Amino acid sequence: KAGVTQTPRYLIKTRGQQVTLSCSPISGHRSVSWYQQTPGQGLQFLFEYFSETQRNKGNFPGRFSGRQFSNSRSEMNVSTLELGDSALYLCASRPDRSTDTQYFGPGTRLTVL
Amino acid sequence: AQSVTQLDSQVPVFEEAPVELRCNYSSSVSVYLFWYVQYPNQGLQLLLKYLSGSTLVKGINGFEAEFNKSQTSFHLRKPSVHISDTAEYFCAVSDPGGYQKVTFGTGTKLQVIP
Repeated sequence: KAGVTQTPRYLIKTRGQQVTLSCSPISGHRSVSWYQQTPGQGLQFLFEYFSETQRNKGNFPGRFSGRQFSNSRSEMNVSTLELGDSALYLCASRPDRSTDTQYFGPGTRLTVL
Repeated sequence: AQSVTQLDSQVPVFEEAPVELRCNYSSSVSVYLFWYVQYPNQGLQLLLKYLSGSTLVKGINGFEAEFNKSQTSFHLRKPSVHISDTAEYFCAVSDPGGYQKVTFGTGTKLQVIP
């Protein structure tokens, strides 16, 4: 099976812009979670989607949003970008919400100038 | 609320020497515990996990970890490291059942010196 894929792998944006990141889970996986990874904060949970519904949410401002499509693919959107949003954004999938192991994609490196 | 502490941000070790990466967690209930590894420019890969049962857990690439409930620790060990083990290692905790979010530690960078 193909692994979790994330596009694009690298992005450069300027402050105030918005960005959309995409995640395609492993075939058959219906749960998708998003994480922000920064050198200072480590990995922080953003949100989890399952069956096109947000099931869990981390402590991030409303500028961070996401959605999931019927084929389980997920997108996350960040509006009004700030310098502090520069990070590696990781997507992880699992077959369902009761499965303990997550499978991570390679991430999207976002740089905000 | 759960939390995970990885006290060592960087651990240098010579090749073929043993290594221990420390992880302590804080939780008032039973937990699931995980160790993930991240190689440069890659996502995270599961090394091993503790769900229940035997407190000594063996994982991939020769790593093992021991769950110690009284000390709320889940330290990762390897008896002899290789250059290829150079990576960042993350300890993580979640509530049993998988329905709650996973909380990660800040990571430990293992640098294996030839």
